[in-house]
This record gives sequence, structure tokens and C-alpha cells, in this order.
Amino acid sequence: DAGVIQSPRHEVTEMGQEVTLRCKPISGHDYLFWYRQTMMRGLELLIYFNNNVPIDDSGMPEDRFSAKMPNASFSTLKIQPSEPRDSAVYFCASSLTGNEKLFFGSGTQLSVL
Amino acid sequence: GENVEQHPSTLSVQEGDSAVIKCTYSDSASNYFPWYKQELGKRPQLIIDIRSNVGEKKDQRIAVTLNKTAKHFSLHITETQPEDSAVYFCAATGGSYIPTFGRGTSLIVHP
Repeated sequence: DAGVIQSPRHEVTEMGQEVTLRCKPISGHDYLFWYRQTMMRGLELLIYFNNNVPIDDSGMPEDRFSAKMPNASFSTLKIQPSEPRDSAVYFCASSLTGNEKLFFGSGTQLSVL
Repeated sequence: GENVEQHPSTLSVQEGDSAVIKCTYSDSASNYFPWYKQELGKRPQLIIDIRSNVGEKKDQRIAVTLNKTAKHFSLHITETQPEDSAVYFCAATGGSYIPTFGRGTSLIVHP
């Protein structure tokens, strides 16, 4: 398996634009997590899915953020409209079951100018 | 919800010394405690984990200890090498299945 695959690796956009981040979890993993990493706040959980169903989105900072998982092999995190304070590294991670180790994707470095 | 405190935030050691990173957690229901290593510009990767039915686990130069009564767990790295330089994150996971991460420890190993 190629591991968790995220795209794009880098995204530079202007304030107000829509940004879509993509993730392909490891096949067979039931849990998918979206994290945001910044120097100030560390690794923050934004939302997680179990069997494609969103379970907890309390970490999503605002209504500008939304996430979907239309099937077991694909998830998106969308920011609309984007703001400079959204600049961070966004990681997707998956795990086989709950209470198991996370496999992280390579992350998306987002810069909003 | 769970709250995980991690100390120190920065740790600087000489090559060959030992390094210890400590974490405390708040939710007594937490039962899975992984440690992740993140090298500069890379993704976090699991290096060792422990479950609540075990007090200590060792893998070559790294070990993790768990004290459930005191709600703390620690990462021990012996004979440190320059390639151990990275940010280390502890995490605690309980019945909610949501891993809560510590803020991370930047370990610097000087040759």
C-alpha cells in the first residue's frame, strides 16, 4: 500500500479564494482524521470520520471549513473563503480501527496571501 | 475531553546522552498511548506505543513507561544520536477514539 496520499503538497492562494485539500486513506482503514498543524497551536484535530460518517467536527474552526467523505477511499477538506490565518500544514491520517496508531499523509502546506 | 500536557518543549542533549520526555493526561478512560516522531518537513510517524495493561515497553534504544495511577507516561531515548533530532509528540486515546496530542518536544542532539 502506498500509505495515506494527500494532494496538493503545496498550495498558495489569495485571501477569499476557495481551497480544496484531498486525501486518500489506506485501504481498509475505518477511521480518517483531518489535523491542522501550526507553531502556535500544535496538532489540532479538525474532524474525524468513521466508515465515511463524520463523527466529531467540533474542531472545525468556522463555517468556512467543511469536510466530506463520499466513499471509503476519498475525503476532502474545503475552506471557502480562505483567510491568511488559515495558513498551516494540514494533515490527513487514517487508522485501521479506533484506538490504533495513525498513519499520516505527507501533508498540504497551505499559504493564504 | 482529554487534555495532554507534554514537557519539556525543547530538550538539548549531547550525543550519547539519554533523553526523557514526559506527558500527563486527564481522562482516566484513556488506554492507548502512542509516541510520534516528526522530522523537519516530514509527517509524524509512530515510533512506539503502549496500552494501559502494560507498564513498560522497550524497542532497542527507545522505551516508554506508563503510570496509570498518576496518569503520566514517558519516552526514554538512550545513547542519543544526531538522527534522533526531531519533534516528538505524545498522545492519549480513550473511549472516544479521538487521539489527543501533546504540544510536542523539540529534541536537539549535538554531535
